[in-house]
Amino acid sequence: NAGVTQTPKFQVLKTGQSMTLQCAQDMNHNSMYWYRQDPGMGLRLIYYSASEGTTDKGEVPNGYNVSRLNKREFSLRLESAAPSQTSVYFCASRLQGKSTEAFFGQGTRLTVV
Amino acid sequence: AQSVTQLDSHVSVSEGTPVLLRCNYSSSYSPSLFWYVQHPNKGLQLLLKYTSAATLVKGINGFEAEFKKSETSFHLTKPSAHMSDAAEYFCVVSDETSYDKVIFGPGTSLSVIP
Repeated sequence: NAGVTQTPKFQVLKTGQSMTLQCAQDMNHNSMYWYRQDPGMGLRLIYYSASEGTTDKGEVPNGYNVSRLNKREFSLRLESAAPSQTSVYFCASRLQGKSTEAFFGQGTRLTVV
Repeated sequence: AQSVTQLDSHVSVSEGTPVLLRCNYSSSYSPSLFWYVQHPNKGLQLLLKYTSAATLVKGINGFEAEFKKSETSFHLTKPSAHMSDAAEYFCVVSDETSYDKVIFGPGTSLSVIP
């Protein structure tokens, strides 16, 4: 019972490099999310997707792009990484509807040097 | 747009004493409210959620929270702290205008002193 799976778990990038964080869920959830976690700031929503084929900006979308490839997969892309994007990234999924909770992956620790 | 304020960035209690972690929310419509816990270097775990069925919500590990609409609050409590409760706690909100948008508060770090 995998739940939400993120890859990779750790990554070091040089400034200006690009990379894609992958996320997949096997719970048949409609909605998927990408957050970043920084000390003292909680989890901030980067982008979310209410269903396959739709994506919406969250609180901090600048510098990121997303793709909802199908119902299972939601990827986050950094086109030109900056040190300010050093963070822990969490993917989550959720069944649509009031009071349904989100389920989280284990996180990706990204360092941009 | 919905938002969450957690009034204390850090709370320290002695083992065996009560815990109170405060949360206030802003929401245009009927909110859904959640508390999550994150232990050091671990993922996020749901503690409890408000479903509008009852204003006092019981969660795992002896935690509970009370929804007070008049005060726009959803404070988390536990009668007696245990060492294993030391963690980061997040209050989370979504609302009727957009069930899909889930917003976290900044978190409260709970320390438990032996």
